[in-house]
Amino acid sequence: DAGVTQSPTHLIKTRGQQVTLRCSPKSGHDTVSWYQQALGQGPQFIFQYYEEEERQRGNFPDRFSGHQFPNYSSELNVNALLLGDSALYLCASSLGAGTREAFFGQGTRLTVV
Amino acid sequence: GESVGLHLPTLSVQEGDNSIINCAYSNSASDYFIWYKQESGKGPQFIIDIRSNMDKRQGQRVTVLLNKTVKHLSLQIAATQPGDSAVYFCAEAYNNNDMRFGAGTRLTVKP
Repeated sequence: DAGVTQSPTHLIKTRGQQVTLRCSPKSGHDTVSWYQQALGQGPQFIFQYYEEEERQRGNFPDRFSGHQFPNYSSELNVNALLLGDSALYLCASSLGAGTREAFFGQGTRLTVV
Repeated sequence: GESVGLHLPTLSVQEGDNSIINCAYSNSASDYFIWYKQESGKGPQFIIDIRSNMDKRQGQRVTVLLNKTVKHLSLQIAATQPGDSAVYFCAEAYNNNDMRFGAGTRLTVKP
């Protein structure tokens, strides 16, 4: 039974570029949430997708957008990258809308230079 | 040993001792609380959760205590092992909304 998988594991981008991160939820899960974790801090909620729609959103600008596919996998897109976007991006999956028993992937380490 | 997550971000214990990691949460309406363990270079790993209608829940070697009166959550780890060394985060959620994480406590287990 595969857990939550994210790709790529590491990524280096230049300021102003765009990036797409991918997440496959744990088998049987239908909800995907994305978090940003800066070094030395706790994860910060970006948004959640359920039934291919954005259900909740945290305090992140419109440069951050996402998508969920019919197979429940998800993408996180960030446009016009800033140096401050450098962080570990985590995907968490759960069953049903909400955050009960959410399981995280290993994350994608994004470095913006 | 004990630690208040936000003010003493590190906790060092001897192997075999019990560990207590504390967390003060912010929203008195939060109804779901979770503890995660995060090892270096990995994503957070679910440890145990508790709903607001309970004050104690036990797992394998771990116990979570919830005191809603003072908005306090603690994680007790029995017979701490070197493999328990990690950063521990508490998270709170309200009405099935997103999780809000604390700053984390780094636990170091000395052999």
